[in-house]
Amino acid sequence: SQTIHQWPATLVQPVGSPLSLECTVEGTSNPNLYWYRQAAGRGLQLLFYSVGIGQISSEVPQNLSASRPQDRQFILSSKKLLLSDSGFYLCAWTQLRGAGGYTFGSGTRLTVV
Amino acid sequence: AQSVTQLDSQVPVFEEAPVELRCNYSSSVSVYLFWYVQYPNQGLQLLLKYLSGSTLVKGINGFEAEFNKSQTSFHLRKPSVHISDTAEYFCAVSRAETGGFKTIFGAGTRLFVKA
Repeated sequence: SQTIHQWPATLVQPVGSPLSLECTVEGTSNPNLYWYRQAAGRGLQLLFYSVGIGQISSEVPQNLSASRPQDRQFILSSKKLLLSDSGFYLCAWTQLRGAGGYTFGSGTRLTVV
Repeated sequence: AQSVTQLDSQVPVFEEAPVELRCNYSSSVSVYLFWYVQYPNQGLQLLLKYLSGSTLVKGINGFEAEFNKSQTSFHLRKPSVHISDTAEYFCAVSRAETGGFKTIFGAGTRLFVKA
């Protein structure tokens, strides 16, 4: 069966520090991978998506970047965090030709202080 | 352009009462429709989906939704809610594009079930 792992679950980082959030998918190949951010009391904002290794599309210009070094690994990074980067970050995957909807990871609560 | 509107930001309801969470969408092409549930500090979980066929779809936890093409709606219903249904619910619309699916999420509806 397919599973998605996201870590860490919570993170408190000072302003100006770097960030690395990791997401891995098991039990499938060539998934479409996504990073979403959910600010407190708000909906989901798509940050990045990837249809294959090394292929990253950015939806919103920001202080963040994403990479996909392996087929089932998706990394969200920042060189210098801002206060506005605080939020709940969710990784998700779906199959290219499927219409089954997203499978989400359990999320990372990031607080920038 | 594609958009999703969840008409209620919060819905309070008593336990064992029925509930309807409303979702309207706009799109110029055929879409797939989804409802997700999010419990506190967790990721989203797929409740149900409409791809084609019967307009009434049944999902997990006793929820169902009806696709109404003329009204471009996909409202979520449950005949009798439980305390454990307290969560945030997201409506989503997807359409196929080159390389995958483009999905738009609604802003969410927070369901409070009171004893």
